[in-house]
Amino acid sequence: QVQLQESGPGLVKPSETLSLICTVSGGSISSYYWHWIRQPPGKGLEWIGHIYYSGDTHYNPSLGSTIYNTSLKSRVTISADSSKSQISLKLTSVTAADTAVYYCARGGPLVKGAFDFWGQGTLVTVSS
Amino acid sequence: DIQMTQSPSSLSASIGDRVTITCRASHSISTFLNWYQQRPGKAPNLLIYDASTLQSGVPSRFSGSGSGTDFTLTISSLQPEDFATYYCHQSYSTRGTFGQGTKVEVK
Repeated sequence: QVQLQESGPGLVKPSETLSLICTVSGGSISSYYWHWIRQPPGKGLEWIGHIYYSGDTHYNPSLGSTIYNTSLKSRVTISADSSKSQISLKLTSVTAADTAVYYCARGGPLVKGAFDFWGQGTLVTVSS
Repeated sequence: DIQMTQSPSSLSASIGDRVTITCRASHSISTFLNWYQQRPGKAPNLLIYDASTLQSGVPSRFSGSGSGTDFTLTISSLQPEDFATYYCHQSYSTRGTFGQGTKVEVK
């Protein structure tokens, strides 16, 4: 049975970078999409972005961008380490609005892009 | 972006009731519509994908229908463990979007 486990700091200071890792066990990360989704306390679900096992990524533009060397760069970066079966999430320049439970989830072609396996989620609070 | 609108946002029902939740997409999404159940403090759980296909292990009292822009989740006979929040989700576009959720509460 595939299992996903998120890990990382539960408290991040404003303007700093949120970093989380999702460790996948019971299956390979190959041939699947791996997503990050978040849920602010008492609110609904928001898709953050995904990575395909080949490295192709897509991010939610509503999470915003920062200026990096005169060009806009998404605040979100998702990467994968297949040797460790880990998917990582980095979210820069966090504010209180980024306080949420963060989930990683698997998206598979067999379920038409639905998320068939989820981690249990990890609460990240942005506060000084 | 494809907006997903669920209704109602909450409902009260009794054990054994038939419950229907609707989800409307702002653009046609064919049958790329999924339903999840979320119990308090837990991760969402996939119930139905491709609008009407029951995920393995999900009780048959759950069913889904629809295509294009209008979709329905039905619970044929509500059980105690079904009191939860339900979300629709479109996987038609790369940027998947969720409905705002429907909370099913005890009447």
